Amino acid sequence: DGGITQSPKYLFRKEGQNVTLSCEQNLNHDAMYWYRQDPGQGLRLIYYSQIVNDFQKGDIAEGYSVSREKKESFPLTVTSAQKNPTAFYLCATTRGPYASGANVLTFGAGSRLTVL
Amino acid sequence: KQEVTQIPAALSVPEGENLVLNCSFTDSAIYNLQWFRQDPGKGLTSLLLIQSSQREQTSGRLNASLDKSSGRSTLYIAASQPGDSATYLCAVTYSGGGADGLTFGKGTHLIIQP
Repeated sequence: DGGITQSPKYLFRKEGQNVTLSCEQNLNHDAMYWYRQDPGQGLRLIYYSQIVNDFQKGDIAEGYSVSREKKESFPLTVTSAQKNPTAFYLCATTRGPYASGANVLTFGAGSRLTVL
Repeated sequence: KQEVTQIPAALSVPEGENLVLNCSFTDSAIYNLQWFRQDPGKGLTSLLLIQSSQREQTSGRLNASLDKSSGRSTLYIAASQPGDSATYLCAVTYSGGGADGLTFGKGTHLIIQP
């Protein structure tokens, strides 16, 4: 998994519950990202963080929250406000910000969330 | 906003054939283009990264080309093997944006028949 650990791999949630997905990296990469993947769809950016204690909303941030208290960790909380949370969630890192021409995205193995 | 299209959406070919996957993008002002492989239920693995100043990159049986002026990239797979079966995605880093300037295509689902 390229030094990125996502947990849990599978998660089931009842409607109305908040859940937190973990993403930990040992690559010493500065930037971390959360993507959502739905069947037959491209990846969509939820949140990203380029430095500790700072993060930015992506295209579909509503109903999600994040924190970046440590360089190694970027947890994603799926709140009850997210109306359709069943999806495959992918965490990724880059050594520097996207604007760098040589940046390569490294992905974790993903977490599959199912709302019952 | 940048749009990335991958054609075909699915492809099934016999083992041993050479094949080409296509990726097109609407805005040629890009930093780079990446090709990824995704196995079912897994994360993405980076295959090749082409900088905007480059025309192609090669890794083993894979060759990716980039034509910025026409907004196209191709991924050529030589002598395909059943282990190549996966979904292949391309992603463009758009110079007009920051982290949200990375746009993914929906992927091509490839099946190599033994």
